[in-house]
Amino acid sequence: AQKVTQAQTEISVVEKEDVTLDCVYETRDTTYYLFWYKQPPSGELVFLIRRNSFDEQNEISGRYSWNFQKSTSSFNFTITASQVVDSAVYFCALITNRDDKIIFGKGTRLHILP
Amino acid sequence: SQTIHQWPATLVQPVGSPLSLECTVEGTSNPNLYWYRQAAGRGLQLLFYSVGIGQISSEVPQNLSASRPQDRQFILSSKKLLLSDSGFYLCAWSGDSKETQYFGPGTRLLVL
Repeated sequence: AQKVTQAQTEISVVEKEDVTLDCVYETRDTTYYLFWYKQPPSGELVFLIRRNSFDEQNEISGRYSWNFQKSTSSFNFTITASQVVDSAVYFCALITNRDDKIIFGKGTRLHILP
Repeated sequence: SQTIHQWPATLVQPVGSPLSLECTVEGTSNPNLYWYRQAAGRGLQLLFYSVGIGQISSEVPQNLSASRPQDRQFILSSKKLLLSDSGFYLCAWSGDSKETQYFGPGTRLLVL
């Protein structure tokens, strides 16, 4: 069965610190897709990134970076020089080639303190 | 570009009253459509998804139902709301089941 675990329920860091959000997934399928979404206080889920299982290259987008490691079944998300606007709930998600439904983790609530 | 709309944004309804939430997508055709519910402080629960007009798959047995009367319209309904129906309802679309899902702004429902 497919599963996504975000062990960190809530994290608080001071502004300008770096922070890493962990995501561990489980699947027996060899073809799958991983996602990160941001949910700010307004509620709308904002898509951040999608990676397929054949592309293990790390991704950087501004202050955001993602570390995909198949050996540990992890897809971690790092925010560098955090800002108060980064405060949100972040969801990691998985969909496999055999499923039609995306599996979400329970989310990590991130507080960036000024 | 594609956009997704939901209304109303907020709704307060008494227990036992009916419900109708609407979701529409612009700028794409034959999208996959999804309804999710998020209880306060909780994760996302998939309620229904649709791959085409009139085609609805239900994930959770409950007093809610969904319909897709038009290609880019997805409606969530209930004949009689329960207190436990309170939550944040999100609609999403994707071009294909394996592609990225894009979410609407959501509807906050409070059942009193």
